Amino acid sequence: DTGVSQDPRHKITKRGQNVTFRCDPISEHNRLYWYRQTLGQGPEFLTYFQNEAQLEKSRLLSDRFSAERPKGSFSTLEIQRTEQGDSAMYLCASSLSSGTGTEAFFGQGTRLTVV
Amino acid sequence: AQKITQTQPGMFVQEKEAVTLDCTYDTSDQSYGLFWYKQPSSGEMIFLIYQGSYDEQNATEGRYSLNFQKARKSANLVISASQLGDSAMYFCAMRRPSGGYNKLIFGAGTRLAVHP
Repeated sequence: DTGVSQDPRHKITKRGQNVTFRCDPISEHNRLYWYRQTLGQGPEFLTYFQNEAQLEKSRLLSDRFSAERPKGSFSTLEIQRTEQGDSAMYLCASSLSSGTGTEAFFGQGTRLTVV
Repeated sequence: AQKITQTQPGMFVQEKEAVTLDCTYDTSDQSYGLFWYKQPSSGEMIFLIYQGSYDEQNATEGRYSLNFQKARKSANLVISASQLGDSAMYFCAMRRPSGGYNKLIFGAGTRLAVHP
């Protein structure tokens, strides 16, 4: 299967610890996105990469959050000094930038629980 | 402000019947795209159907059709011949402009339960 892959699927961490999530997009997709989904809500946009360039960051992405896509392929999302409010599902998506079919394809997400 | 509203927190449907999931949106943009995604319990968001604001025909994809009423700013999803595997959360989302990148605004979702 060549869909969007996220690792880990689940992460439990203690408050104050740092965590890092990885996303491997569909190989030919040059656009990559991170979203956050809290219980009972739809996903909320966090950030967007075109190739290796981070072109937009939501104000939801506080200074404790950093995302990278160093070679324009996989991406990482790091949360420093986690807080209980960071508990959520973190979804990664990728898409083409042109042509037919520019919809976002999502991974299965990483569920973060901060205790 | 841009907003997606899904007024049905939960819906029930009998297997093999059709069901309509409601979505209204608020935008002052002329160019936008509307999407429906399905989220089963596994968590993955599965793309179902897309409608561009300039598309004159309602979008259809297999058992899914999008009832697009631009003047009323509604984009309801119709699922025909429901199957047990259709039980999931369904999200309506908007992208501006229609050809832009996928900074999607999602509604709160509707949970669909299909009964045998």
